[in-house]
Amino acid sequence: EAGVAQSPRYKIIEKRQSVAFWCNPISGHATLYWYQQILGQGPKLLIQFQNNGVVDDSQLPKDRFSAERLKGVDSTLKIQPAKLEDSAVYLCASSFTSGGSYEQYFGPGTRLTVT
Amino acid sequence: SQQGEEDPQALSIQEGENATMNCSYKTSINNLQWYRQNSGRGLVHLILIRSNEREKHSGRLRVTLDTSKKSSSLLITASRAADTASYFCATVLQGGSNYKLTFGKGTLLTVNP
Repeated sequence: EAGVAQSPRYKIIEKRQSVAFWCNPISGHATLYWYQQILGQGPKLLIQFQNNGVVDDSQLPKDRFSAERLKGVDSTLKIQPAKLEDSAVYLCASSFTSGGSYEQYFGPGTRLTVT
Repeated sequence: SQQGEEDPQALSIQEGENATMNCSYKTSINNLQWYRQNSGRGLVHLILIRSNEREKHSGRLRVTLDTSKKSSSLLITASRAADTASYFCATVLQGGSNYKLTFGKGTLLTVNP
């Protein structure tokens, strides 16, 4: 079974530039999550999709971050414009259902450096 | 804000020893999960314990949950160098509609050969 795919793996941009990350979840997983993990901390949920609808985006900085999941499969997360404090690893995860009893499967992440 | 807080922040042991990590949380939970993160395999789910369970085992892992103290512990027995990683507890709050996972800051475990 293929895992969660993410690209790119690394990205370096200057502040005020824009960047986009892509995620392909495990086939058949209805729920998709984007997390931000700052060095030395645990992952923080940015947004959760159930199929192509948003379930929770309460911690997404909506003035600069946006995400979409067209057709309920792949997803993209965009930052525009980036700030220095956005430097982090962005993790995508998926699960079979939004029910908490089901584990989340994580992709390798995209390490973003904003200079 | 992060719901779970792991203790200790860092732990260094010799191969073959047991490692114990603790997690405390603040509000009532539906379940608590432990994840491992290392550079080779990323973030991987280890074990889930529900709020009505007190103890679970999986291979060399033993997890306990004390809801009265709002705490959990993860025990890794007979540690190996390959167990070197960061370990995170993550909670799913009781009554939530979306079963959001909230992670702690993690415990960095180093197993010396």
